[in-house]
Amino acid sequence: AQTVTQSQPEMSVQEAETVTLSCTYDTSESDYYLFWYKQPPSRQMILVIRQEAYKQQNATENRFSVNFQKAAKSFSLKISDSQLGDAAMYFCAYRREKAGANNLFFGTGTRLTVIP
Amino acid sequence: EAGVAQSPRYKIIEKRQSVAFWCNPISGHATLYWYQQILGQGPKLLIQFQNNGVVDDSQLPKDRFSAERLKGVDSTLKIQPAKLEDSAVYLCASSLQGNSYEQYFGPGTRLTVT
Repeated sequence: AQTVTQSQPEMSVQEAETVTLSCTYDTSESDYYLFWYKQPPSRQMILVIRQEAYKQQNATENRFSVNFQKAAKSFSLKISDSQLGDAAMYFCAYRREKAGANNLFFGTGTRLTVIP
Repeated sequence: EAGVAQSPRYKIIEKRQSVAFWCNPISGHATLYWYQQILGQGPKLLIQFQNNGVVDDSQLPKDRFSAERLKGVDSTLKIQPAKLEDSAVYLCASSLQGNSYEQYFGPGTRLTVT
């Protein structure tokens, strides 16, 4: 069974600084996707960034980047130049590559506070 | 492009009552998911539809929960009778195809069972 672990329930960062959120996962499969989702108080899940397991290059989306360590099953999110609008719950998620049942498995989330 | 629509946004009921949630996915999206998010936890899949067929409902408490997706478009999730532990946010998501990597989420329905 796939499990996703986020060991940091809460994190805080000064505005304009950099913060890294941690995520580890467990799977026996070789092909899969990893995601970071942002959930603001409005509750709507917003995709921040994704990583395909077969790609060695770490994904980057503007101020957001990941450090994907496949052997260690680690998938951390780095937010650079943090902004007040980045404050939210962040969820790490895993999805199988196979056809059929391919729902997301989520971690328990990290609440990020941005300090002005 | 319109997003995933859900209603109601909030619902308060007493235990043993019944409740229904509605979801309208993005037009053309074949795959629809219902997730349950209990406070302090990440969402957990309840059921996945591909068009109007069920792909995965292994985590759906079938003694009290039911879901349908009529004509492969809108979907309804029902709880009857509700228990206190059903208090949660119910999220609906859709994707273009099952293998499409991106799932688009609706705003969710917050259910409180008293």
